[in-house]
Amino acid sequence: SQQGEEDPQALSIQEGENATMNCSYKTSINNLQWYRQNSGRGLVHLILIRSNEREKHSGRLRVTLDTSKKSSSLLITASRAADTASYFCATSTSGTYKYIFGTGTRLKVLA
Amino acid sequence: GAGVSQTPSNKVTEKGKYVELRCDPISGHTALYWYRQSLGQGPEFLIYFQGTGAADDSGLPNDRFFAVRPEGSVSTLKIQRTERGDSAVYLCASSPAKGETQYFGPGTRLLVL
Repeated sequence: SQQGEEDPQALSIQEGENATMNCSYKTSINNLQWYRQNSGRGLVHLILIRSNEREKHSGRLRVTLDTSKKSSSLLITASRAADTASYFCATSTSGTYKYIFGTGTRLKVLA
Repeated sequence: GAGVSQTPSNKVTEKGKYVELRCDPISGHTALYWYRQSLGQGPEFLIYFQGTGAADDSGLPNDRFFAVRPEGSVSTLKIQRTERGDSAVYLCASSPAKGETQYFGPGTRLLVL
């Protein structure tokens, strides 16, 4: 069953603009992770945020977590063409450590 | 250091054949995960190991799929009597401990003709 659902499914922006993508989930979680995937192969880990955290930053990336709304957002500031990729959230339900991925947001950054 | 490696990178087989996919995790990582990804979809959880034991195999689609990790390091995903619907990219990930950051390998693209 699907746990995380990202929206939008696709996003196209100009270089230099900010990109925001959202993830909603259904159950209580241990943590939530965001990944990037280029060309349908290996995934690159971006940020892990735990259920007791509300915000984390890494370079141009900012992740927020709202456990009351069961949602998370990933903000990429000052986007670059190299940020073009699919972005996925993955959650592990409290009490388990298996991760369920959403269907992803396909981001296209136009130069 | 070396990342997660997977072999082969591509595998073409005929319907009904048996295949084995191998994953070499990052040294020292105790948790190892297998996922399957179809085109345009997110990775689908198959099984997760903590050490040598399968901690959760609830994602294996049926009894044709089996995975082992006998020494707590390398893992092999085994698929018997392959079907065309098994065609996908099979991804492996390892993490230092359960619930920590997962590091993914490049995947094995399986095509069943």
